[in-house]
Formats: sequence, C-alpha cells, structure tokens
Amino acid sequence: NAGVTQTPKFRVLKTGQSMTLLCAQDMNHEYMYWYRQDPGMGLRLIHYSVGEGTTAKGEVPDGYNVSRLKKQNFLLGLESAAPSQTSVYFCASGGASGPYEQYFGPGTRLTVT
Amino acid sequence: AQRVTQPEKLLSVFKGAPVELKCNYSYSGSPELFWYVQYSRQRLQLLLRHISRESIKGFTADLNKGETSFHLKKPFAQEEDSAMYYCALKSGSARQLTFGSGTQLTVLP
Repeated sequence: NAGVTQTPKFRVLKTGQSMTLLCAQDMNHEYMYWYRQDPGMGLRLIHYSVGEGTTAKGEVPDGYNVSRLKKQNFLLGLESAAPSQTSVYFCASGGASGPYEQYFGPGTRLTVT
Repeated sequence: AQRVTQPEKLLSVFKGAPVELKCNYSYSGSPELFWYVQYSRQRLQLLLRHISRESIKGFTADLNKGETSFHLKKPFAQEEDSAMYYCALKSGSARQLTFGSGTQLTVLP
C-alpha cells in the first residue's frame, strides 16, 4: 500500500497562474483533508471531504477550490496564485469510524513569486 | 471555538534528560487529543492518542481537564527524538483536527 500520495512534490508558480494539486489514497478512507503548513502557525485546514462528491470549507478556504470526484482522490486547486499561498501543502485521509487517526501525505512545497 | 496552544516553538534538552512539551486546549465539548510527530524528511505521523492511554517510544501524555492540558513527557530523551511535535484536537462531525503551532524538539548529545 502506498498510503497517501501527493503530486507534485515541488512547484514554483508566478502570481496569477493556476495549478492543481492531486492527493490519492488507497486505504478506502471516507474522509480526506487539505492542510497548509506555515512556520509558527502549525497546520491549518483548508478544505475537507466526508465522501465522494462532497466538499466543505475548513479554517482557511479563501483562494482555494477542491473536488472529490472519486473516493480515492482529492484535488486542491489554486485559480489565481498569490504570494501569500506560498506554503507546504499536506493532504490527509481518515476513516469514518474506529480508532481515530489521520494519515498524511509527504507534502507539496509551493512557491509563488 | 476550539484552540490548541503550544507555547514553546523551540525546545532543546540534553540526551538522557527529561523532556516535557506543553499543550493547552480550549474546547466546549469532550476533548479528544493527539500528539503527531514529524521527523526530518518524513511525513507527519500519529505518536499517541489520549484515549488509548498508551506509551509510544517512551512518551506519555495525560489529559488534565481541570488545567485543559495534554503535555507530552519522556523521562530520558534520546537523540532520535529530535523532531517537530504537534498537539491536535479532534473536532467537528468530519473528525477534523485543530493543530497547535508545533514545538521543534532538539536533543543534544
């Protein structure tokens, strides 16, 4: 099992460009999450999904959109990148029942110039 | 609203010394708390959860509802314990986590 994978690992964008980050999980988890990690601020939840075809806003959703067309995939989109979106992005997944644990991907380091 | 506070951004101890990483929370319901760890060049992973009352890699954490704290402790730190540690609170119907800002622990030889 690969667990949670993220593509790409690194990306540099210019202000105003768009891009999509892909997260995939092979653990058949119902719940998936996107976080951003910034120095001194920990991880903050951007958007999450409780199942295929559903999405919801987290703590810092502005400037991002998400889609979950398939249970195993969760896409994070930036329509018009801004320097404030320079960050490390983590995807995570978790089950809807049983002992609680979120499983994290390796992260995507995004720089917006 | 829920909140998790980790007051120390950086913490250094010598090998063999005790270590305590502080975590305080605010939450109106019954809290469920976790410690996650991120070793260098590795992904974030669960270290322990309070409901399990377990000891992982020599670390323990006790939930103190009176002081709203969930401090992480280890009696004898090892160099391989050097990592970023995050305290997290489960909240919401989608099992979301609210993370603290993290503490970078360095264990000196």
